[in-house]
Amino acid sequence: QQKVQQSPESLIVPEGGMASLNCTSSDRNVDYFWWYRQHSGKSPKMLMSIFSNGEKEEGRFTVHLNKASLHTSLHIRDSQPSDSALYLCAAPTGANTGKLTFGHGTILRVHP
Amino acid sequence: NAGVIQTPRHKVTGKGQEATLWCEPISGHSAVFWYRQTIVQGLEFLTYFRNQAPIDDSGMPKERFSAQMPNQSHSTLKIQSTQPQDSAVYLCASSLVYAEQFFGPGTRLTVL
Repeated sequence: QQKVQQSPESLIVPEGGMASLNCTSSDRNVDYFWWYRQHSGKSPKMLMSIFSNGEKEEGRFTVHLNKASLHTSLHIRDSQPSDSALYLCAAPTGANTGKLTFGHGTILRVHP
Repeated sequence: NAGVIQTPRHKVTGKGQEATLWCEPISGHSAVFWYRQTIVQGLEFLTYFRNQAPIDDSGMPKERFSAQMPNQSHSTLKIQSTQPQDSAVYLCASSLVYAEQFFGPGTRLTVL
């Protein structure tokens, strides 16, 4: 059964700082990932997806993917207190199922 | 577009009672997923439907949990003889196939 491992479990960064979150899948067939963000008391909401090796940038958020190592990372620059949330990484489970396996997440706290 | 609708938002049951949770997916979405989220276990997959047909229920505790999707506009998750360990937030998500999953606000189930 696939496992999606995220690190660190929690992270504290100062406002304006850089936050770096990591995620790895145990399934060698995984070739794309989703990142979701969940604010306290809310439901997860898709933040970014990455399907190709390399880097994808959207505003302050950058996602990297290395398919060979089954690893993705999310980097948030100029972190804001509103970025404080649980960040969940998800990878597809099985071939052509549409089903996702989620990691346990990284709790990010940005302090003013 | 109202997003994914889940009712009730909160439900309290006594041990041994039945709980039925409702989900209305986003119109036009062909896939519906049910998850359970707790602090300890994180976000766990329960079951999923595609075009109303059950595709994968590998995450469902078989004895007391059941899910149905009688039409394209709603799905139900039924838990019989609820136990304290069933206490969790139950999340429903919908998507186009192989696309971003949109989560509902969740139902917080508390079993006393």
